[in-house]
Amino acid sequence: DAKTTQPPSMDCAEGRAANLPCNHSTISGNEYVYWYRQIHSQGPQYIIHGLKNNETNEMASLIITEDRKSSTLILPHATLRDTAVYYCIVRVAKSGRNRDDKIIFGKGTRLHILP
Amino acid sequence: DGGITQSPKYLFRKEGQNVTLSCEQNLNHDAMYWYRQDPGQGLRLIYYSQIVNDFQKGDIAEGYSVSREKKESFPLTVTSAQKNPTAFYLCASSILGQIYGYTFGSGTRLTVV
Repeated sequence: DAKTTQPPSMDCAEGRAANLPCNHSTISGNEYVYWYRQIHSQGPQYIIHGLKNNETNEMASLIITEDRKSSTLILPHATLRDTAVYYCIVRVAKSGRNRDDKIIFGKGTRLHILP
Repeated sequence: DGGITQSPKYLFRKEGQNVTLSCEQNLNHDAMYWYRQDPGQGLRLIYYSQIVNDFQKGDIAEGYSVSREKKESFPLTVTSAQKNPTAFYLCASSILGQIYGYTFGSGTRLTVV
């Protein structure tokens, strides 16, 4: 089962910041927060991940609350091409072979960018 | 260019027929995965493989079969036992343990009539 809760859909005006929330109240101390997005009829694409510090890359920023029970993905200047389903995932980052090495996707948040 | 290729992009089959979906990667990734997606739904894991000649069932393996004879290839067979096979199928590969390293194919849309 997915360990995260996300709103089913959100709207954002083009050019504005899109803030996508995710609740993960049962997150363990060694679990990371990952974000993926899926543009219609394509495979999901990795965006960003973090443990407890805020993270930023060329695509987005990830803000994780101090208690780590929730996080927000920020797309600073949303464009029409950011219209997609965004998935928030929590799991342990392990190396090597193990039976838990798989991603469980929830239903995500469908983000609509409005022109 | 390295990547993961799924073929065909669209596939039509008659009810009761088995059909095999192809997934090939040249990324030298150890692990490969098959997911199913229904309209408006998230991805559900069918099977995954971490090493050649070994694979594990995911959450919805019934009616599907896989093989992993080569590191580069992980074909999925949708059998006649799968009661509702019409869906979008996605293959992925990764370096073991690196979730941010998951690479997805472009998917195969299977329609059974």
